[in-house]
Amino acid sequence: DARVTQTPRHKVTEMGQEVTMRCQPILGHNTVFWYRQTMMQGLELLAYFRNRAPLDDSGMPKDRFSAEMPDATLATLKIQPSEPRDSAVYFCASGLFPGQERGYTFGSGTRLTVV
Amino acid sequence: GEDVEQSLFLSVREGDSSVINCTYTDSSSTYLYWYKQEPGAGLQLLTYIFSNMDMKQDQRLTVLLNKKDKHLSLRIADTQTGDSAIYFCAESPMFSGGYNKLIFGAGTRLAVHP
Repeated sequence: DARVTQTPRHKVTEMGQEVTMRCQPILGHNTVFWYRQTMMQGLELLAYFRNRAPLDDSGMPKDRFSAEMPDATLATLKIQPSEPRDSAVYFCASGLFPGQERGYTFGSGTRLTVV
Repeated sequence: GEDVEQSLFLSVREGDSSVINCTYTDSSSTYLYWYKQEPGAGLQLLTYIFSNMDMKQDQRLTVLLNKKDKHLSLRIADTQTGDSAIYFCAESPMFSGGYNKLIFGAGTRLAVHP
């Protein structure tokens, strides 16, 4: 089965450090999402790419977060500097548009803890 | 506005049917989805329904859509302990610029007991 691969699976870092999370979307998918999941806020959309171009990053704190797709096989989400409130599970998902009836495939997530 | 609402908890006996309900707000959503999340895992697509359908059945899963009331439900027949998980409803509103994005509800935690 094709998978969305996220690395690292777990990350513990100190406040103020830079954090980089990586995602390898399914080959051929042209749409990539980044979501953040917390108990309090649920699933929040952070960024959305189509054909590597950012279409919507309105859910992302601009001062410290950045998302990029340097090529079709890699999406990155960076936090600099990290803060304890950034502790969450970060999910990447990929899919096809058109073709949304197939849904979007999620990775297993990166669990980030900022101490 | 974008808002998907679900009840937070549901407890059922093994072998019974489970019904998870969801209301959404955006009538431009072409597809509506149900995802399942098991502990420590990502979200797994269970099923979807196209907005011009009223019902879709897929093995033990039945999705009902009431477009007038913007109400979506997921019925799981013969619920098993392996069905214990969090179930997310998601709408996919279309935005100007020709793109859509997934908006999730808070999730319904289904507990299946003997």
